[in-house]
Amino acid sequence: DMKVTQMPRYLIKRMGENVLLECGQDMSHETMYWYRQDPGLGLQLIYISYDVDSNSEGDIPKGYRVSRKKREHFSLILDSAKTNQTSVYFCASSLGTGGDAETLYFGSGTRLTVL
Amino acid sequence: GQQVKQSSPSLTVQEGGISILNCDYENDMFDYFAWYKKYPDNSPTLLISVRSNVDKREDGRLTVFLNKSGKHFSLHITASQPEDTAVYLCAAGLHQGGSAKLIFGEGTKLTVSS
Repeated sequence: DMKVTQMPRYLIKRMGENVLLECGQDMSHETMYWYRQDPGLGLQLIYISYDVDSNSEGDIPKGYRVSRKKREHFSLILDSAKTNQTSVYFCASSLGTGGDAETLYFGSGTRLTVL
Repeated sequence: GQQVKQSSPSLTVQEGGISILNCDYENDMFDYFAWYKKYPDNSPTLLISVRSNVDKREDGRLTVFLNKSGKHFSLHITASQPEDTAVYLCAAGLHQGGSAKLIFGEGTKLTVSS
């Protein structure tokens, strides 16, 4: 069953706390992504990972870092969260090679509130 | 600046009509174009996509038109139905290796009224 799993679904943190968002996929996809969605701005790319320990900044990487130590797992870390990082965060994966390489499969999202 | 832009935040269409959703992009190197559909509190799912070597692709009620010289692509939904009501996100990207780094537009909320 092709699936991208995000944990947790909802999270409330205080400003200055560290935040860890987890994402897993069971499709052996090479490429994984973290996006955030804000009203009026659509999906903004934070980081892209082409494989284990092969990560690249997206359009809005400031304030975030990522970790990919296993192909099926991609974490987003906020060190000292800020209120403007309140958003819905989507993880996605894609095959990376082959005919369906570009199709993104999204997780269900994590709604993060930073107070 | 916004590399991929959907200028209409919302669109209302009568049931049975044609829904036309538009997307403009800035980077003429983009070689992959897609439309995703998103219901509230759900994740986006791919509807249809094209590569830059074609101008048009049809899939059932959906047609994507690509105008490379105008840096514009659109999604036409014929015989629109209430269940088409959703947010539609356009995306454009450039292949880097096998993957395409996709840039999304802001989204257009389509409402199909019965």
